[in-house]
Amino acid sequence: AQKVTQAQTEISVVEKEDVTLDCVYETRDTTYYLFWYKQPPSGELVFLIRRNSFDEQNEISGRYSWNFQKSTSSFNFTITASQVVDSAVYFCALSEGQLGNNNDMRFGAGTRLTVKP
Amino acid sequence: ETGVTQSPTHLIKTRGQQVTLRCSSQSGHNTVSWYQQALGQGPQFIFQYYREEENGRGNFPPRFSGLQFPNYSSELNVNALELDDSALYLCASSQSRARGADEQFFGPGTRLTVL
Repeated sequence: AQKVTQAQTEISVVEKEDVTLDCVYETRDTTYYLFWYKQPPSGELVFLIRRNSFDEQNEISGRYSWNFQKSTSSFNFTITASQVVDSAVYFCALSEGQLGNNNDMRFGAGTRLTVKP
Repeated sequence: ETGVTQSPTHLIKTRGQQVTLRCSSQSGHNTVSWYQQALGQGPQFIFQYYREEENGRGNFPPRFSGLQFPNYSSELNVNALELDDSALYLCASSQSRARGADEQFFGPGTRLTVL
């Protein structure tokens, strides 16, 4: 069965600090997709990234970077030089299977990030 | 904004009542998924509709049912409401493509309170 664990319930940093959000997943499939979403106080989930199981390249997008390591089943998310606007709940999610549809996407419990000025 | 809309924004019902939540998917998307997000938890998959047919279901009882219409908008119906049904209900749309799981675009959600 698929499972996503975000061990950090809450993280608080001061603006400009770097912060890493951890995500560990479990799956029996060899083909799967990993996602990160941001949920600001407004409640709407905002897509950040999708990574498939065959692509272990790390990715950088501005201040955001993701480290995917199949050996440790982890897909960690780092925010460099954090800003107050980064304050939100961040969810890691897993979708199994090679066909589309995101059938039964599993989310972690989320990490609440607070960035203080 | 994602282009996915949900109505109503908030809803208060009493135990035993029935509720219908609505979702309009983003233009060009043929797949709609519904999630329940209890306070302080991650979203849980309820079910998904692809071209008007149910295409997978999570661990939710039959009193949770849905529909998808020809224009790909969708409804979530919950019968015999229970207190534990109080949650944020999120709708997500995507364009299903054979090459893999696409990102889902989420609506703002409907906050349901059951008293």
